[in-house]
Amino acid sequence: AQKITQTQPGMFVQEKEAVTLDCTYDTSDQSYGLFWYKQPSSGEMIFLIYQGSYDEQNATEGRYSLNFQKARKSANLVISASQLGDSAMYFCAMRGVGAGGTSYGKLTFGQGTILTVHP
Amino acid sequence: ETGVTQTPRHLVMGMTNKKSLKCEQHLGHNAMYWYKQSAKKPLELMFVYNFKEQTENNSVPSRFSPECPNSSHLFLHLHTLQPEDSALYLCASSQDPRSPGQGPYYYGYTFGSGTRLTVV
Repeated sequence: AQKITQTQPGMFVQEKEAVTLDCTYDTSDQSYGLFWYKQPSSGEMIFLIYQGSYDEQNATEGRYSLNFQKARKSANLVISASQLGDSAMYFCAMRGVGAGGTSYGKLTFGQGTILTVHP
Repeated sequence: ETGVTQTPRHLVMGMTNKKSLKCEQHLGHNAMYWYKQSAKKPLELMFVYNFKEQTENNSVPSRFSPECPNSSHLFLHLHTLQPEDSALYLCASSQDPRSPGQGPYYYGYTFGSGTRLTVV
């Protein structure tokens, strides 16, 4: 079974500052992928960044970077130079190999963190 | 159009009505999903379709009936809903390997904008 834990229900950050959103995970799979999604108030889930379990380097996508610490089973999202438009709910998710048969390995989500960026 | 499109964006229905939510993906993906997102609750996976076959039904009440006529379209038929069914319903798609257990871990999901459903 897979489990994603996001311990920060809400976070506040000043515009132009960096912020780290925490994510820890638990899985018995050797191969897995970690994802972060952003959900604005409009409702759409927007893919931000991906990290593979075998990737040696931390993933980066523009202002987003993923601080991957495999031994600690953590995959924190770092947003640099926060903007007002970054205010949204952020979800950490993971997907494993699947158990075979008809199981393709579902994308498992954490509870989410609401980020508020102050001007 | 590109990506995953959901219609309608908003829906208000009475408890005795019958309505359908539609999802269409233009990505050539072979797997589609329905999620329910209620206020202050985690995302709940409702149904999974792989290659047009339903592979997962997470104990969803029978008042929700999915239909996947082809790999590009997914419907959620609604009837005799309850007020607690009011939520954001999200559709997603992904490209999965033909054989399960071969590691779809690097395939994320692409989501639609969701349908905000209110049951009165």
